[in-house]
Amino acid sequence: DAGVIQSPRHEVTEMGQEVTLRCKPISGHDYLFWYRQTMMRGLELLIYFNNNVPIDDSGMPEDRFSAKMPNASFSTLKIQPSEPRDSAVYFCASSPVWTGGNYGYTFGSGTRLTVV
Amino acid sequence: GIQVEQSPPDLILQEGANSTLRCNFSDSVNNLQWFHQNPWGQLINLFYIPSGTKQNGRLSATTVATERYSLLYISSSQTTDSGVYFCAVTGNEKLTFGTGTRLTIIP
Repeated sequence: DAGVIQSPRHEVTEMGQEVTLRCKPISGHDYLFWYRQTMMRGLELLIYFNNNVPIDDSGMPEDRFSAKMPNASFSTLKIQPSEPRDSAVYFCASSPVWTGGNYGYTFGSGTRLTVV
Repeated sequence: GIQVEQSPPDLILQEGANSTLRCNFSDSVNNLQWFHQNPWGQLINLFYIPSGTKQNGRLSATTVATERYSLLYISSSQTTDSGVYFCAVTGNEKLTFGTGTRLTIIP
């Protein structure tokens, strides 16, 4: 299995532009999570899906952030309009069950976003 | 929500030394994982260990769920072990990360 695949690996954009981050979970994993990592706040959960349905988006910082999962093999996290304070590393993770199953959560390589 | 504390926050060791990293959590957990974030930012899953002991090469981990702590042991450290080690747990809600231990191995 190729693991959780995220794209792009790096994104540099100007303030005010729309940014779309992409994630392909491991096949057969019913749970998909979006995390953000910053120096100030560490790793924090933004939103998670179960069977393509958003379950908890309480971590989404504001209305500028939105996430979708149109099918079991693809999810997007969109920021519109982007701001410099959105600069961070965004991780996607997937898991077969809520508790992680036998191997736990698997994380993608992350997208490093820089908003200038 | 559940609180996760890791210690020490920073650790600098000579190559070849052994180390013990600790993770304390405030409530019962269903899932506990140890991750290594390498200098390139990748989060590598080391262990899934809600209880008991596991070993993988020079690394081993022990979780004592009844006492709400987990330990990660690294023996014969190598420079490639440098990075940040995170403990993360799931109780009745989301996977919550600790603040990490930054390990630096000096040649």
